[in-house]
Amino acid sequence: DIQMTQSPSPLSASVGDRVTITCRASQSINRYLNWYQHKEGRAPKLLIYAASTLQSGVSSRFSGSGSGTEFSLTISSLQPEDFATYYCQQSYSHPRTFGQGTKVEVK
Amino acid sequence: QVQLVQSGAEVKKPGASVKVSCQVSGYSLTKLSIHWVRQAPGGGLEWMGGFDPADGKTFYAQKFQGRVTMTEDTSTDTAYMELTSLSSEDTAVYYCATADLRPDTRGYYISCMDVWGEGTTVAVSS
Repeated sequence: DIQMTQSPSPLSASVGDRVTITCRASQSINRYLNWYQHKEGRAPKLLIYAASTLQSGVSSRFSGSGSGTEFSLTISSLQPEDFATYYCQQSYSHPRTFGQGTKVEVK
Repeated sequence: QVQLVQSGAEVKKPGASVKVSCQVSGYSLTKLSIHWVRQAPGGGLEWMGGFDPADGKTFYAQKFQGRVTMTEDTSTDTAYMELTSLSSEDTAVYYCATADLRPDTRGYYISCMDVWGEGTTVAVSS
């Protein structure tokens, strides 16, 4: 199985901050990498697919980059509604593993 | 607009089974690929399995092999996830999601879960 490791966890930040979450795969996954946002009591939300393509309707303050084994999710200016847990997930092979999650919390 | 509506919360005793449903509206289930993900209390998202149209079969995470079965009733556009031999470690919120294939800039197709159900809480307790 491909292991996905996120850092940091958790991440303390303030409104307006630029924040970056890193995701590392245990082997190359090309660009088969998705990012999700999850808030307590709600369904997860797809933010970015194929490492850097923004899902329709998602704010442009979210961006993704990377390929191979190293990926990142950046929020350019953190907004109050962005405090949540973020997960990377590989779709290169089965099982479709998630990272352990990065909780973005108020500093 | 695809929507997924899941069945209600369940309370089960250890050793029992649970069957969670996920009804599709706004589209035909025959054209969708349904996956199941769970989140235990205090834990992260955990992929359980799902249908892969590229292979034409359902894949299960090794952890659940032999205990989980994912099925579909196309006459009612409803997907099901049944988990047997429950223990307290199966207490979680279970989500269904559609896995869509999206092209990337290089022409590859990437599978991503773009529409999610609201989740079904399953509590296992004696």
